[in-house]
Amino acid sequence: ELKVEQNPLFLSMQEGKNYTIYCNYSTTSDRLYWYRQDPGKSLESLFVLLSNGAVKQEGRLMASLDTKARLSTLHITAAVHDLSATYFCAVDIITGNQFYFGTGTSLTVIP
Amino acid sequence: DAGVTQSPTHLIKTRGQQVTLRCSPISGHKSVSWYQQVLGQGPQFIFQYYEKEERGRGNFPDRFSARQFPNYSSELNVNALLLGDSALYLCASTTLPPVAAFFGQGTRLTVV
Repeated sequence: ELKVEQNPLFLSMQEGKNYTIYCNYSTTSDRLYWYRQDPGKSLESLFVLLSNGAVKQEGRLMASLDTKARLSTLHITAAVHDLSATYFCAVDIITGNQFYFGTGTSLTVIP
Repeated sequence: DAGVTQSPTHLIKTRGQQVTLRCSPISGHKSVSWYQQVLGQGPQFIFQYYEKEERGRGNFPDRFSARQFPNYSSELNVNALLLGDSALYLCASTTLPPVAAFFGQGTRLTVV
C-alpha cells in the first residue's frame, strides 16, 4: 500500500522564521507535486518536481526532491502571515493524474 | 482561459439517494481525475479517465462510477449515498504526461 506521509501535521511559526516541511513516500516515483489549500477552497499548484535532485523556488518557498531517499522538502524562508494555509505533497506513480496525497501540514504564521 | 469547472458547487442529499457531479477540464486537457476530500484529510484518488477510457481506480466501492464524454468532460456518480460520502469532491485535469494538474473549485456534498 502506497503511503505518503508529511511532518509535521501542524506547524505554528512566527513571522520571519524559517522552517521545513517533510514529505516521505513509500514507492518509486520521479514526480512529486506540492499544493496549497486555503480553508474551504480548492488546491493551488505550487511546485512540480519531475526528477531526482530537482529544486524549485518561488518567493519564500523552495521545494526539493530526492527520489533515492523518497523524500521531498518544502522550505519556508522568513515566513509571513499570507503563507498560512494547508500544504499537501502528492506523488504521481502511474500514468499521470493519479495523485496520492500526503496527510497535509497545517501552517499558521503568527505575527 | 477558463480553468477546470465543476458543478454544482454545493449539494445536499439524503441517505440512499444518488448524485451526479460534473467536471469540464481545461481546453486541450484530455485526462480527468476525481478525488474525495473528507474534512481534515488529504484528497483521496477515486478515478482517472483519459480519452474516454478508465485508466485507474482508487480504493472506493462500486457505488462510485464515472465516465468521460467525447468533449473530455466527465461525470462522477455515487449511488446509495451514505453519511460518510459527505466530502469535497475535486476534479483535476492535465495533459499526459502531466506537467501539473489543475483542480476545479470542487463540489461540496452533504449527505443527511
